[in-house]
Amino acid sequence: SQELEQSPQSLIVQEGKNLTINCTSSKTLYGLYWYKQKYGEGLIFLMMLQKGGEEKSHEKITAKLDEKKQQSSLHITASQPSHAGIYLCGAPTGGYSTLTFGKGTMLLVSP
Amino acid sequence: GAGVSQTPSNKVTEKGKYVELRCDPISGHTALYWYRQSLGQGPEFLIYFQGTGAADDSGLPNDRFFAVRPEGSVSTLKIQRTERGDSAVYLCASSDNGVASVGGTYEQYFGPGTRLTVT
Repeated sequence: SQELEQSPQSLIVQEGKNLTINCTSSKTLYGLYWYKQKYGEGLIFLMMLQKGGEEKSHEKITAKLDEKKQQSSLHITASQPSHAGIYLCGAPTGGYSTLTFGKGTMLLVSP
Repeated sequence: GAGVSQTPSNKVTEKGKYVELRCDPISGHTALYWYRQSLGQGPEFLIYFQGTGAADDSGLPNDRFFAVRPEGSVSTLKIQRTERGDSAVYLCASSDNGVASVGGTYEQYFGPGTRLTVT
């Protein structure tokens, strides 16, 4: 079965600083989703990557899927308190779009 | 438009009791998924519906768990003889279509979850 490992497990950064979260898969990735979750809320879709080398950006968040398609990184530029939350990577498995998730990275942004 | 809704938002029950958790997907979405998220973990897949039928129930932990979607919209997750280990947040998601080749590209929209606590 496919496993996704996220690093770091948690991260505290000062407002305005840049940061990177990594997601490494035990198998080749055929797609990779990034979600954000706040306590008591559901998962908020950030972006989806499919092709090796693909890079997408939304506001100050950029995600990339590496060429070998076994790792993805999420980069936040000039972090803000609104970026705080748990970031989850998920990969589709099997013939359907059921997702296998990593354990998440908890981000805290200090003012 | 309305997103995925789940009721109740919180449920506290005694060990051994029966519970039902409800999910209202986005209107028109044919695919519906149930996940379970324990503290400090990512969501774990339980069951996937395409229309009214369970296309994949391989994630259900045992026969105490059962889910239905009789009319292809609302789904109910049912847990019999609850155990303390069942305590978790149960998440529901829906998408336009869940049938795809490997590399399915359908965005899953998640509900806020139901926090189940078994005492």
